[in-house]
Amino acid sequence: DTAVSQTPKYLVTQMGNDKSIKCEQNLGHDTMYWYKQDSKKFLKIMFSYNNKELIINETVPNRFSPKSPDKAHLNLHINSLELGDSAVYFCASSQGAQRDYGYTFGSGTRLTVV
Amino acid sequence: GEDVEQSLFLSVREGDSSVINCTYTDSSSTYLYWYKQEPGAGLQLLTYIFSNMDMKQDQRLTVLLNKKDKHLSLRIADTQTGDSAIYFCAEKGTAAGNKLTFGGGTRVLVKP
Repeated sequence: DTAVSQTPKYLVTQMGNDKSIKCEQNLGHDTMYWYKQDSKKFLKIMFSYNNKELIINETVPNRFSPKSPDKAHLNLHINSLELGDSAVYFCASSQGAQRDYGYTFGSGTRLTVV
Repeated sequence: GEDVEQSLFLSVREGDSSVINCTYTDSSSTYLYWYKQEPGAGLQLLTYIFSNMDMKQDQRLTVLLNKKDKHLSLRIADTQTGDSAIYFCAEKGTAAGNKLTFGGGTRVLVKP
């Protein structure tokens, strides 16, 4: 049973479209994250939610809007997609109170904007 | 702000030891982590070390932390071809949200 699952795994879409990526975790964690990994493998945090509350909102275009309907789900909606949005997007979760544990990552969504 | 740096590439012969180095700038780092990413996969947590420790050993993995120099290393003993991957070092500071800041990753290639 997958701990952190993302859908879809691959997404190819045209510039200007709107798309969503979904993430679900069954670990009972209270914090979820979105990271973007660019073509050079550099990982940058985008957002973090703790118990449905937005905690971290890095410098991300407001075309990106996260939504957390409950603490087990964190979705990412992207409006007006641009070529530069092509990347692998990783969802992750952690148990905030357990300070020594890192994140559990999903397997990623590879977004290609053409 | 936080910054984490790693060398880009390491080539090692099967059976030898690999050492991957990382430096960080955040003096408030509480925990430091090593993650492994295989092609097409997510990041897998390998090991972590608390900032008041200077060494941690876990089977073939040894983590060394020099807090004064803000230097972290991961040694893999008896490196196998299955160890070929990208290795990321990450640090957790005291900022809200348990944010991990990652290095750029070190690509390790194990040659038979």
